[in-house]
Amino acid sequence: EVQLVESGGGLVKPGGSLRLSCAASGFTFSSYSMNWVRQAPGKGLEWVSSISSSSSYIYYADSVKGRFTISRDNAKNSLYLQMNSLRAEDTAVYYCARVGVDSNYAFDYWGQGTLVTVSS
Amino acid sequence: EIVMTQSPATLSVSPGERATLSCRASQSVSSNLAWYQQKPGQAPRLLIYGASTRATGIPARFSGSGSGTEFTLTISSLQSEDFAVYYCQQYNNWYTFGQGTKLEIK
Repeated sequence: EVQLVESGGGLVKPGGSLRLSCAASGFTFSSYSMNWVRQAPGKGLEWVSSISSSSSYIYYADSVKGRFTISRDNAKNSLYLQMNSLRAEDTAVYYCARVGVDSNYAFDYWGQGTLVTVSS
Repeated sequence: EIVMTQSPATLSVSPGERATLSCRASQSVSSNLAWYQQKPGQAPRLLIYGASTRATGIPARFSGSGSGTEFTLTISSLQSEDFAVYYCQQYNNWYTFGQGTKLEIK
């Protein structure tokens, strides 16, 4: 069974940093591109960042470029998001999501999310 | 950036009836369009990919259609568990989501 479990969320002050993790199991993690998607309270979904299976290709939304860094450790079946210079508008539930090869590259599995709150 | 616009924002339908949700892209996304269902406190779930292909385990009452800039998600006979928020997503040029349609019980 495919499982994605996020961790690392919490309360942080504006300008602070946080590192999110996503532990993957039930599939060959090293074969799949992965993403971070966030959802502000009561709002819709916003794609944040993508990383290819071997980390060769990395992309960011303009809203986080220069502040967030996506990475992965295929030996540990883990995905990460280092978030620096956090702002109030970064407050959201952060989901990791797998890019499905059999689903025409839509996001076929999602974790349950971890809440990041940026507030003084 | 490709902008995805969903309509209506809220749709009120009675159980057993048909629901039709729309999604429009600001430029062509070919058939690189997915639909997701999200219930309160849960992660999104993939329903439809490639504009019209049901994901694994999705009931046949869910169907998707369209290509280019106009897309539709149809739920043929609403069940109680179908009342949720639905998002479309284009993955032709990076990824963008629509703002969502809340499907509520009439």
